[in-house]
Amino acid sequence: QKEVEQNSGPLSVPEGAIASLNCTYSDRGSQSFFWYRQYSGKSPELIMFIYSNGDKEDGRFTAQLNKASQYVSLLIRDSQPSDSATYLCAVINTGTASKLTFGTGTRLQVTL
Amino acid sequence: DTAVSQTPKYLVTQMGNDKSIKCEQNLGHDTMYWYKQDSKKFLKIMFSYNNKELIINETVPNRFSPKSPDKAHLNLHINSLELGDSAVYFCASSQERVAGLGETQYFGPGTRLLVL
Repeated sequence: QKEVEQNSGPLSVPEGAIASLNCTYSDRGSQSFFWYRQYSGKSPELIMFIYSNGDKEDGRFTAQLNKASQYVSLLIRDSQPSDSATYLCAVINTGTASKLTFGTGTRLQVTL
Repeated sequence: DTAVSQTPKYLVTQMGNDKSIKCEQNLGHDTMYWYKQDSKKFLKIMFSYNNKELIINETVPNRFSPKSPDKAHLNLHINSLELGDSAVYFCASSQERVAGLGETQYFGPGTRLLVL
């Protein structure tokens, strides 16, 4: 079982719709959760992090965390073509000295 | 005002050669990392240094040797390059040694290594 799992996609949504990206993790000791966006040929850039159960909103982005279900998601409202990228879920267990464990990423395509 | 920079951006070399990739950060961070992203885009940590001290060393062949001359620099030297070493190597940095709840890692632009 992979430590962090994501559906590789592509996930295709029309412009203006809500994109829902999901991630599950296996280590119950995971305490911080991150969503990175990576455009093709570019480096990952942080979108949001979350560490408490519930929702966290930042502009068009909402991260949702459910530690009991070991599940974290990212919602993108009013999706734009510029949101088309690969979204990487990453987790940290604070007992492992800043080690970010990444999922394989979900490729999102926002269509016109 | 590049925060995390890497050189070279592209590296094409023959099997068996030795090569180095350099990384510098001007963010004043204490911790630096090397990640490898393979052809399937899976990003995996290789090493982490905090104030020149090695704190993470994943299962990486000993042909890979990181060196941190100071806390702003973390270089990666690779001996006897193999075809399977072809990948994109990302350097990153963050402020804290032990992950705070909101720790952010900032990534460099990547070095695309192709071993022929």
